[in-house]
Amino acid sequence: NAGVTQTPKFQVLKTGQSMTLQCAQDMNHEYMSWYRQDPGMGLRLIHYSVGAGITDQGEVPNGYNVSRSTTEDFPLRLLSAAPSQTSVYFCASSRPGSLVHEQFFGPGTRLTVL
Amino acid sequence: AQKITQTQPGMFVQEKEAVTLDCTYDTSDPSYGLFWYKQPSSGEMIFLIYQGSYDQQNATEGRYSLNFQKARKSANLVISASQLGDSAMYFCAMRENLGRRALTFGSGTRLQVQP
Repeated sequence: NAGVTQTPKFQVLKTGQSMTLQCAQDMNHEYMSWYRQDPGMGLRLIHYSVGAGITDQGEVPNGYNVSRSTTEDFPLRLLSAAPSQTSVYFCASSRPGSLVHEQFFGPGTRLTVL
Repeated sequence: AQKITQTQPGMFVQEKEAVTLDCTYDTSDPSYGLFWYKQPSSGEMIFLIYQGSYDQQNATEGRYSLNFQKARKSANLVISASQLGDSAMYFCAMRENLGRRALTFGSGTRLQVQP
């Protein structure tokens, strides 16, 4: 299993540009989520999905869109990048029925918005 | 109000000694889970240990143990016999069974193990 994969690893955008951060998992996990990590802080939830076709907002959803057309993929779209979105983005997945329901994290995408 | 509080921004420990990283939490959900993750300088998030709110015993995983005091709402991580490779950021997180069921993270503690 590859686990949770994220692309790209690094990205630099100019203010106003749009882009999609890709996330895929091969563990057949129903639950997927996106977090952002700003310097000196813990991770904060952006959006999450409890299954294909179902998404919902997290703590900091503004400026981001998601969709979940398959179990495997959960892309995060930045509609019009702003410097405040400079951060490290983590995708995670888990299987809610498991005892621990631990979240498996991807390696992260480091995004800089100029 | 902060749901997860880690009051130690940085900690130092000598190699081979034990260290306790503090975590307090706030929830009204009777069913929840508490997690600790390690984030080395390479940036990945590594799951260390889990404690369920109904678990009677403190969780242990190798050199990691979780000192769970439910009445005090604390879930401290204890690392025994520290190794140089333990130097990293450590995050405490909580998952509540009601609502989003996602993780809420604390701000982290940077642990440095000295030889």
